[in-house]
Amino acid sequence: GQQVMQIPQYQHVQEGEDFTTYCNSSTTLSNIQWYKQRPGGHPVFLIQLVKSGEVKKQKRLTFQFGEAKKNSSLHITATQTTDVGTYFCAGRFSGGYNKLIFGAGTRLAVHP
Amino acid sequence: EAQVTQNPRYLITVTGKKLTVTCSQNMNHEYMSWYRQDPGLGLRQIYYSMNVEVTDKGDVPEGYKVSRKEKRNFPLILESPSPNQTSLYFCASSPQWGESEQYFGPGTRLTVT
Repeated sequence: GQQVMQIPQYQHVQEGEDFTTYCNSSTTLSNIQWYKQRPGGHPVFLIQLVKSGEVKKQKRLTFQFGEAKKNSSLHITATQTTDVGTYFCAGRFSGGYNKLIFGAGTRLAVHP
Repeated sequence: EAQVTQNPRYLITVTGKKLTVTCSQNMNHEYMSWYRQDPGLGLRQIYYSMNVEVTDKGDVPEGYKVSRKEKRNFPLILESPSPNQTSLYFCASSPQWGESEQYFGPGTRLTVT
C-alpha cells in the first residue's frame, strides 16, 4: 500500500544550527502537507505543496516538493528553542485515494 | 472560537467495556477523520467521513466504529476495547477533501488494561 517514509526519526541540534527532515514516497503524490506537533500538543498545519518543484518559505522554514512529486523536505535555518517538536509530512496520493498518509515524524530537540 | 473538541481527554478503562470518544467541530467542515498516534508510527487514519452519513475505513479500522449523523459530530466507538488500542487519538476536520488543511482536536489519551 501507499507509504510515506520520513527521516530522520530524531534530530538533536544546538540552537543556531540548521535542521532538515525528508519525506519520500514510492509513488507520485498529488500534494504534500507539513504539520508541527509541540510536546503534549496536537498537530498544527504548516503548509501544503502542490506543484512539481515547488519551494515555499515561512520565515526560517523552507519547504520543497520534488520534481517528480515523490519527495519533500523541510529545512529550518538557525534553529531556536521554539522549534522543538515533531514535524510530520503527510502525502495525498493521486487517483482519488481519499486518505492522507502521514510519515512517522521527525522529533527535533534544540539545546540552548 | 473555531475549534475541534474531543471528550474525554484522558480515559483509563478495562478490556471489553464499550466506550465512545466524542468529536465536535464548529467550523461547518464537511470532512472529518480519526487518527491514532503511536510512538514511531506517526498518525494512522482509522476512519474518515466525507460528509453526513458518508464514512469509510482508513488504514487501521479494526475494532472501531464511527457514525456521522450530524455534520458537526463524528464519534469514535470502541465496542470491545483491547490493550492494543491503548493509544493517543486525534480527531481532525477540514473544509473539504482534496486541497484543505486539517484542523486537529486536542487528543484523547486512552489506556486499556
